[in-house]
Amino acid sequence: AQKITQTQPGMFVQEKEAVTLDCTYDTSDQSYGLFWYKQPSSGEMIFLIYQGSYDEQNATEGRYSLNFQKARKSANLVISASQLGDSAMYFCAMREAAMEYGNKLVFGAGTILRVKS
Amino acid sequence: GAVVSQHPSWVICKSGTSVKIECRSLDFQATTMFWYRQFPKQSLMLMATSNEGSKATYEQGVEKDKFLINHASLTLSTLTVTSAHPEDSSFYICSAEKNSPKNIQYFGAGTRLSVL
Repeated sequence: AQKITQTQPGMFVQEKEAVTLDCTYDTSDQSYGLFWYKQPSSGEMIFLIYQGSYDEQNATEGRYSLNFQKARKSANLVISASQLGDSAMYFCAMREAAMEYGNKLVFGAGTILRVKS
Repeated sequence: GAVVSQHPSWVICKSGTSVKIECRSLDFQATTMFWYRQFPKQSLMLMATSNEGSKATYEQGVEKDKFLINHASLTLSTLTVTSAHPEDSSFYICSAEKNSPKNIQYFGAGTRLSVL
Protein backbone atom coordinates (compact mmCIF):
# COMPACT_ATOMS: atom_id res chain seq x y z
CA ALA A 1 0.00 0.00 0.00
CA GLN A 2 1.14 3.52 -0.73
CA LYS A 3 2.45 5.23 2.36
CA ILE A 4 2.04 8.72 0.91
CA THR A 5 -0.71 9.51 -1.59
CA GLN A 6 -0.94 12.70 -3.58
CA THR A 7 -4.07 12.38 -5.68
CA GLN A 8 -3.65 15.54 -7.75
CA PRO A 9 -1.15 15.06 -10.60
CA GLY A 10 -1.56 18.68 -11.59
CA MET A 11 -3.23 21.83 -10.33
CA PHE A 12 -3.84 25.31 -11.71
CA VAL A 13 -4.34 28.39 -9.57
CA GLN A 14 -4.85 32.02 -10.40
CA GLU A 15 -2.18 34.39 -9.18
CA LYS A 16 -2.96 35.86 -5.74
CA GLU A 17 -5.44 33.11 -4.91
CA ALA A 18 -4.97 30.33 -2.36
CA VAL A 19 -4.48 26.70 -3.32
CA THR A 20 -4.59 23.44 -1.38
CA LEU A 21 -2.42 20.48 -2.33
CA ASP A 22 -3.66 17.18 -0.95
CA CYS A 23 -1.64 14.56 0.87
CA THR A 24 -2.81 11.48 2.76
CA TYR A 25 -0.54 9.08 4.56
CA ASP A 26 -0.61 5.61 6.02
CA THR A 27 1.29 4.60 9.13
CA SER A 28 0.77 2.60 12.27
CA ASP A 29 3.41 4.56 14.17
CA GLN A 30 2.34 7.06 16.81
CA SER A 31 5.41 9.21 16.29
CA TYR A 32 6.04 10.45 12.78
CA GLY A 33 6.80 13.60 10.85
CA LEU A 34 5.28 15.07 7.72
CA PHE A 35 7.12 17.31 5.28
CA TRP A 36 6.47 19.32 2.17
CA TYR A 37 9.14 20.08 -0.40
CA LYS A 38 9.05 22.23 -3.52
CA GLN A 39 10.98 21.26 -6.63
CA PRO A 40 11.21 23.96 -9.33
CA SER A 41 12.19 23.06 -12.87
CA SER A 42 15.83 23.62 -11.92
CA GLY A 43 15.66 20.42 -9.87
CA GLU A 44 16.62 21.54 -6.40
CA MET A 45 14.42 20.33 -3.53
CA ILE A 46 13.39 23.15 -1.21
CA PHE A 47 12.12 22.34 2.28
CA LEU A 48 8.87 24.21 2.97
CA ILE A 49 7.23 23.04 6.15
CA TYR A 50 7.23 20.32 8.83
CA GLN A 51 4.50 18.89 11.06
CA GLY A 52 5.17 16.47 13.89
CA SER A 53 2.52 13.92 14.78
CA TYR A 54 2.35 15.22 18.34
CA ASP A 55 2.16 18.88 17.35
CA GLU A 56 -1.20 20.22 18.43
CA GLN A 57 -1.17 23.26 16.21
CA ASN A 58 -0.98 23.28 12.43
CA ALA A 59 2.43 24.31 11.18
CA THR A 60 2.80 27.62 9.36
CA GLU A 61 5.75 29.15 7.52
CA GLY A 62 4.99 32.44 5.85
CA ARG A 63 2.51 31.81 3.02
CA TYR A 64 2.62 28.06 3.64
CA SER A 65 0.45 26.28 6.17
CA LEU A 66 -0.14 22.62 6.77
CA ASN A 67 -3.71 21.49 7.40
CA PHE A 68 -3.02 18.50 9.64
CA GLN A 69 -6.00 16.22 10.27
CA LYS A 70 -4.62 13.31 12.24
CA ALA A 71 -7.78 11.21 12.38
CA ARG A 72 -8.13 11.42 8.60
CA LYS A 73 -4.38 10.95 8.13
CA SER A 74 -4.15 13.96 5.90
CA ALA A 75 -1.54 16.69 5.73
CA ASN A 76 -2.61 19.13 3.05
CA LEU A 77 -0.41 22.06 2.07
CA VAL A 78 -2.12 25.43 1.74
CA ILE A 79 -0.36 28.16 -0.21
CA SER A 80 -1.90 31.56 0.26
CA ALA A 81 -1.64 34.47 -2.18
CA SER A 82 -0.07 32.39 -4.96
CA GLN A 83 2.79 33.88 -6.91
CA LEU A 84 4.13 32.99 -10.35
CA GLY A 85 7.27 31.70 -8.67
CA ASP A 86 5.21 29.07 -6.85
CA SER A 87 4.90 27.12 -10.10
CA ALA A 88 6.77 23.88 -9.37
CA MET A 89 6.40 20.25 -8.38
CA TYR A 90 5.40 19.75 -4.75
CA PHE A 91 6.19 16.59 -2.80
CA CYS A 92 4.67 15.41 0.45
CA ALA A 93 6.90 13.13 2.53
CA MET A 94 6.72 11.19 5.78
CA ARG A 95 9.28 10.08 8.31
CA GLU A 96 8.33 7.22 10.62
CA ALA A 97 9.76 6.33 14.03
CA ALA A 98 12.31 9.10 14.50
CA MET A 99 15.77 7.93 15.52
CA GLU A 100 18.67 10.07 16.60
CA TYR A 101 19.82 10.11 12.98
CA GLY A 102 19.35 8.21 9.75
CA ASN A 103 15.64 8.81 9.39
CA LYS A 104 14.40 7.85 5.95
CA LEU A 105 11.73 9.80 4.13
CA VAL A 106 8.98 8.29 2.01
CA PHE A 107 7.84 10.57 -0.77
CA GLY A 108 4.56 10.88 -2.59
CA ALA A 109 4.30 11.02 -6.37
CA GLY A 110 4.09 14.79 -6.37
CA THR A 111 1.70 17.46 -7.64
CA ILE A 112 2.62 19.91 -10.39
CA LEU A 113 1.31 23.37 -9.60
CA ARG A 114 0.94 26.01 -12.28
CA VAL A 115 0.16 29.59 -11.28
CA LYS A 116 -1.63 31.61 -13.95
CA SER A 117 -1.28 35.37 -14.33
CA GLY B 1 20.10 28.33 7.66
CA ALA B 2 20.84 24.90 6.30
CA VAL B 3 22.76 24.87 3.04
CA VAL B 4 23.74 21.77 1.13
CA SER B 5 26.04 22.05 -1.85
CA GLN B 6 26.18 19.41 -4.57
CA HIS B 7 28.81 19.31 -7.28
CA PRO B 8 28.89 19.01 -10.22
CA SER B 9 25.46 20.17 -11.27
CA TRP B 10 25.80 18.61 -14.69
CA VAL B 11 28.16 16.04 -16.11
CA ILE B 12 28.52 14.27 -19.42
CA CYS B 13 30.81 11.25 -19.62
CA LYS B 14 31.69 8.41 -21.92
CA SER B 15 30.41 4.91 -21.30
CA GLY B 16 32.77 2.95 -19.08
CA THR B 17 34.16 5.88 -17.15
CA SER B 18 33.52 6.70 -13.48
CA VAL B 19 31.91 9.84 -12.18
CA LYS B 20 32.16 11.26 -8.67
CA ILE B 21 29.47 13.50 -7.19
CA GLU B 22 30.08 15.47 -4.00
CA CYS B 23 27.54 16.49 -1.38
CA ARG B 24 28.56 18.98 1.30
CA SER B 25 26.66 20.42 4.22
CA LEU B 26 28.02 23.96 4.43
CA ASP B 27 26.70 25.27 7.72
CA PHE B 28 25.89 22.21 9.80
CA GLN B 29 27.30 18.80 10.54
CA ALA B 30 25.48 15.79 9.16
CA THR B 31 25.96 12.34 10.63
CA THR B 32 23.69 11.04 7.91
CA MET B 33 23.34 11.95 4.27
CA PHE B 34 21.08 10.36 1.69
CA TRP B 35 21.42 9.73 -2.03
CA TYR B 36 18.41 9.69 -4.30
CA ARG B 37 17.80 9.10 -7.97
CA GLN B 38 14.97 10.75 -9.87
CA PHE B 39 13.65 9.86 -13.30
CA PRO B 40 11.80 12.50 -15.35
CA LYS B 41 8.40 13.40 -13.96
CA GLN B 42 8.75 10.87 -11.15
CA SER B 43 9.29 11.01 -7.44
CA LEU B 44 12.58 10.56 -5.63
CA MET B 45 13.89 7.04 -5.19
CA LEU B 46 16.19 6.48 -2.22
CA MET B 47 19.37 4.72 -3.27
CA ALA B 48 21.34 4.62 -0.05
CA THR B 49 21.86 6.08 3.40
CA SER B 50 25.34 7.38 4.02
CA ASN B 51 26.61 7.36 7.61
CA GLU B 52 29.74 9.19 8.66
CA GLY B 53 32.56 6.81 9.46
CA SER B 54 30.72 3.65 8.53
CA LYS B 55 29.50 1.74 5.50
CA ALA B 56 26.51 3.00 3.59
CA THR B 57 23.21 1.19 3.72
CA TYR B 58 21.85 0.47 0.26
CA GLU B 59 18.21 0.07 -0.69
CA GLN B 60 17.05 -3.16 -2.23
CA GLY B 61 18.00 -3.42 -5.88
CA VAL B 62 20.77 -0.82 -5.75
CA GLU B 63 24.18 -2.24 -6.67
CA LYS B 64 26.67 -1.20 -4.03
CA ASP B 65 29.64 -1.98 -6.29
CA LYS B 66 28.15 0.20 -8.97
CA PHE B 67 27.31 3.16 -6.75
CA LEU B 68 30.13 3.65 -4.28
CA ILE B 69 29.40 5.91 -1.34
CA ASN B 70 31.95 7.42 1.00
CA HIS B 71 31.10 9.61 4.00
CA ALA B 72 34.50 10.50 5.33
CA SER B 73 33.56 13.55 7.36
CA LEU B 74 30.54 15.14 8.99
CA THR B 75 30.19 17.55 6.08
CA LEU B 76 31.02 15.51 3.00
CA SER B 77 29.57 12.47 1.28
CA THR B 78 30.50 11.31 -2.21
CA LEU B 79 28.73 9.09 -4.69
CA THR B 80 30.84 7.46 -7.39
CA VAL B 81 29.08 5.91 -10.34
CA THR B 82 31.57 3.30 -11.52
CA SER B 83 31.83 2.15 -15.13
CA ALA B 84 28.88 4.30 -16.08
CA HIS B 85 26.56 3.19 -18.87
CA PRO B 86 23.76 5.02 -20.67
CA GLU B 87 21.14 3.46 -18.39
CA ASP B 88 22.82 5.24 -15.46
CA SER B 89 21.88 8.58 -17.00
CA SER B 90 19.60 10.26 -14.52
CA PHE B 91 19.19 13.06 -11.99
CA TYR B 92 20.99 12.30 -8.73
CA ILE B 93 20.26 14.38 -5.65
CA CYS B 94 21.65 14.23 -2.15
CA SER B 95 20.33 15.39 1.19
CA ALA B 96 21.89 15.97 4.59
CA GLU B 97 19.98 15.41 7.78
CA LYS B 98 20.14 18.24 10.29
CA ASN B 99 19.55 16.55 13.60
CA SER B 100 18.38 19.46 15.67
CA PRO B 101 15.62 20.05 16.30
CA LYS B 102 13.41 18.23 13.80
CA ASN B 103 15.72 15.94 11.81
CA ILE B 104 14.93 17.73 8.58
CA GLN B 105 16.61 16.67 5.36
CA TYR B 106 18.04 19.55 3.36
CA PHE B 107 18.81 18.85 -0.27
CA GLY B 108 21.51 19.75 -2.70
CA ALA B 109 20.67 21.14 -6.13
CA GLY B 110 21.15 17.80 -7.82
CA THR B 111 23.42 16.45 -10.55
CA ARG B 112 22.27 15.63 -14.06
CA LEU B 113 24.35 12.76 -15.38
CA SER B 114 24.40 11.95 -19.09
CA VAL B 115 26.38 8.90 -20.17
CA LEU B 116 27.13 8.71 -23.87
